[in-house]
Amino acid sequence: EAGVTQFPSHSVIEKGQTVTLRCDPISGHDNLYWYRRVMGKEIKFLLHFVKESKQDESGMPNNRFLAERTGGTYSTLKVQPAELEDSGVYFCASSSQGGQPQHFGDGTRLSIL
Amino acid sequence: RKEVEQDPGPFNVPEGATVAFNCTYSNSASQSFFWYRQDCRKEPKLLMSVYSSGNEDGRFTAQLNRASQYISLLIRDSKLSDSATYLCVVKGGITGGGNKLTFGTGTQLKVEL
Repeated sequence: EAGVTQFPSHSVIEKGQTVTLRCDPISGHDNLYWYRRVMGKEIKFLLHFVKESKQDESGMPNNRFLAERTGGTYSTLKVQPAELEDSGVYFCASSSQGGQPQHFGDGTRLSIL
Repeated sequence: RKEVEQDPGPFNVPEGATVAFNCTYSNSASQSFFWYRQDCRKEPKLLMSVYSSGNEDGRFTAQLNRASQYISLLIRDSKLSDSATYLCVVKGGITGGGNKLTFGTGTQLKVEL
C-alpha cells in the first residue's frame, strides 16, 4: 500500500510569489490533514478535510493560505503571496476514519527568500 | 503555556540504558494520546498509542495518568537505532474536540556506543 505522498519535497521561492503544495493521501482515506512545523516550533495543525469538505480549518494562519480537495482525493495547499514567516515544513496526513491513526507524508520543505 | 509540554533534550544515553520521557498536557478534555517518533528530516511515525491501563510494545512502555494529565514513555535496553526525536501527541486542542493532533516540541534521544 502506497503511503501519503507529497509534492514537491522542497520548494524555494521569493517573498510575494505563489506556491502550491500537493498531497496524495493513502487510497481510500477520507480524512486528510495539513500540518506545518516552522523553525524551532512544534508541529501545528492547519486543517482537516473529510472527503471534499473542510471539517476544521481553525489552524489556518490567515487568508493567504487556501486549501482545496476537489473530488475528495488529493489536496492542494496554496500560499499566495508567500511571506518570510511561511517558511517551514508542511506535512500532510491521512486516516481512514477520524478516530484512526494518522499517517504522515514526508513533508514539503518550503523556504521563502 | 504550551498545550503539550515535553522534557527538554537532548538525552544522550549509552546503548543498553533505560530512558524515560515525560509529557504533560493542558486540555483535560483530550481523548487520545500517542507517542510519535521522528527521524532527522523525516515524517513523524506513530510509535504507540497510550492508555490509562498502560501498554507495552517490546522494549517500549507507555503510560497515561489522566488525573495528573501526564504521559510517559519508557525505553528499555536502548539501541543505536532508537536515536530520534520522540513527540508527545494529544488528539484534540484547546477547544476540546475534533481529530486534530496537538504536538509537543519533541525530545531528542541520542543512543551512543
